[in-house]
Amino acid sequence: DSGVTQTPKHLITATGQRVTLRCSPRSGDLSVYWYQQSLDQGLQFLIQYYNGEERAKGNILERFSAQQFPDLHSELNLSSLELGDSALYFCASSTTSGNTIYFGEGSWLTVV
Amino acid sequence: SQQGEEDPQALSIQEGENATMNCSYKTSINNLQWYRQNSGRGLVHLILIRSNEREKHSGRLRVTLDTSKKSSSLLITASRAADTASYFCASLPAGNTPLVFGKGTRLSVIA
Repeated sequence: DSGVTQTPKHLITATGQRVTLRCSPRSGDLSVYWYQQSLDQGLQFLIQYYNGEERAKGNILERFSAQQFPDLHSELNLSSLELGDSALYFCASSTTSGNTIYFGEGSWLTVV
Repeated sequence: SQQGEEDPQALSIQEGENATMNCSYKTSINNLQWYRQNSGRGLVHLILIRSNEREKHSGRLRVTLDTSKKSSSLLITASRAADTASYFCASLPAGNTPLVFGKGTRLSVIA
């Protein structure tokens, strides 16, 4: 158990809908990362937050947004969903050093 | 775009054999890490090697780093069926931007 908790574990939704994925980082970790894993694109970095502030942005679509709250949990919002958004979405967290990151078990999103 | 590229994409070996996976990256790094992922599960950190290190061991794992060639290798000795998983290298670019992962090597260890 990495200590990173993600909910929901599985989600099926229709195209055009909006979903929110939630992540609780390891106790004491200030950095939260979101990654998307699909068969054809591999593991893609989406966005990083550090202590509530956006720290780095990767290949995150404009339809997606995220935030980190004062209690350090984070949410990833996916809107106007398309079939191609079906993927495994991972949250990860790290200490301030950011060297090793700890992954949650992921949220499986299926868009139908 | 992906910074790391693993080679081979898939590897199948017999239990007891050694498994070697290679990784290449594109830019200067602070460190390189290897992660393991069982099917459909989260990634688990295995080992980290810093840019000023050339080799590191952890149990049955041996990692090498050649910064002149921008490459790393992961050796798993005396493999077991339980080692079956995907293995990813991840490089931490200079400037401490987030880890960039390769597409992984799928290792199958046959009992």
